[in-house]
Amino acid sequence: DVKVTQSSRYLVKRTGEKVFLECVQDMDHENMFWYRQDPGLGLRLIYFSYDVKMKEKGDIPEGYSVSREKKERFSLILESASTNQTSMYLCASIPAGQSYNEQFFGPGTRLTVL
Amino acid sequence: AQKVTQAQTEISVVEKEDVTLDCVYETRDTTYYLFWYKQPPSGELVFLIRRNSFDEQNEISGRYSWNFQKSTSSFNFTITASQVVDSAVYFCALSDTGNQFYFGTGTSLTVIP
Repeated sequence: DVKVTQSSRYLVKRTGEKVFLECVQDMDHENMFWYRQDPGLGLRLIYFSYDVKMKEKGDIPEGYSVSREKKERFSLILESASTNQTSMYLCASIPAGQSYNEQFFGPGTRLTVL
Repeated sequence: AQKVTQAQTEISVVEKEDVTLDCVYETRDTTYYLFWYKQPPSGELVFLIRRNSFDEQNEISGRYSWNFQKSTSSFNFTITASQVVDSAVYFCALSDTGNQFYFGTGTSLTVIP
């Protein structure tokens, strides 16, 4: 059974903290994605990666960075968390060249920045 | 540019009523794929269906049905005889051959017992 896991379901951090959100998939997928979900705005792409050490900016990369050192792991980093980054963060993966297939999503991390 | 519009932000229906969730998309590609996902209160997105741009055949799966019309760039989703368990946020999405996915803003469906 395919699986995408995220390190935390709920996270509370303080303004200015460095925050790491981890995503791991066990399907040997090349492509991985980080989305942010806010009410009324749907899912917005932050970054995606199509291979180890490769990354591409999505629609809202400001304030975020990513790391992909191993194929199965894609990390989202908030260098200095701010209250406007309070949101639900979703990770997804898909094999390379298979945009005809659905993305596999993790359970999400609900981040609150105080 | 690719775009997906779900004009219905919130819908409430009484149990056993039928409900249709609208999805309109924009793309210049001739090859593209359309998806519906369900997000229950637990938060995880659950894949429901996909359609490619060359297959306009409608599909029925139990109480769920989908109507794909290229002429109106729509991919609507109907739930027949709705149940409380259908309460969720539903997302329509579009992908192209560039490995990117474009999501609508979602429709929150509440089924009242």
